[in-house]
Amino acid sequence: GENVEQHPSTLSVQEGDSAVIKCTYSDSASNYFPWYKQELGKGPQLIIDIRSNVGEKKDQRIAVTLNKTAKHFSLHITETQPEDSAVYFCAAISIGGNTPLVFGKGTRLSVIA
Amino acid sequence: KAGVTQTPRYLIKTRGQQVTLSCSPISGHRSVSWYQQTPGQGLQFLFEYFSETQRNKGNFPGRFSGRQFSNSRSEMNVSTLELGDSALYLCASSPGTSGNTGELFFGEGSRLTVL
Repeated sequence: GENVEQHPSTLSVQEGDSAVIKCTYSDSASNYFPWYKQELGKGPQLIIDIRSNVGEKKDQRIAVTLNKTAKHFSLHITETQPEDSAVYFCAAISIGGNTPLVFGKGTRLSVIA
Repeated sequence: KAGVTQTPRYLIKTRGQQVTLSCSPISGHRSVSWYQQTPGQGLQFLFEYFSETQRNKGNFPGRFSGRQFSNSRSEMNVSTLELGDSALYLCASSPGTSGNTGELFFGEGSRLTVL
């Protein structure tokens, strides 16, 4: 089955700096890669996603990149703000298939003001 | 539109007891998935239900079970609780029909503590 590795497990950045979180996946059939943000006391919330037919996607200060050949995908947050502090999870799935969404173990991002 | 509702939010049980957690999905969503979240292990898939049928099951012992009702509400049950079952149990609903869409809408979770 699918296995998703996520690094780093913790990340501290100064406010205004950029943050990068990296993930790798094992199943070449996976074609959808969402990122979830979990704030304290809340459930994870989808913040951005990318499909395998796209190499990069941006939404304001966040962007995701995908390298299908290397089975790598990354989350980039620019101009970080204190409200970006949260746990971020990457995930992978084969859309329309019979397997569930598989998550990485998460990255705790702390943005220091 | 109301989000995913999980009850209870917090509960404390002792070893050997059983527990039932409830989840009400977003209106119109027919798929409900359950995940266990523990520090260091991330989100581990328990099972998924679609139209009252279990569509997928993760690698958890038979003590973990679930079901889905005709109104798409779901329950999960853990019997003979162990200390290691202490975790945040997250329910997520999805608008998916046939197969998985990958877009999950999570509730705030039920935090279970086993003493």
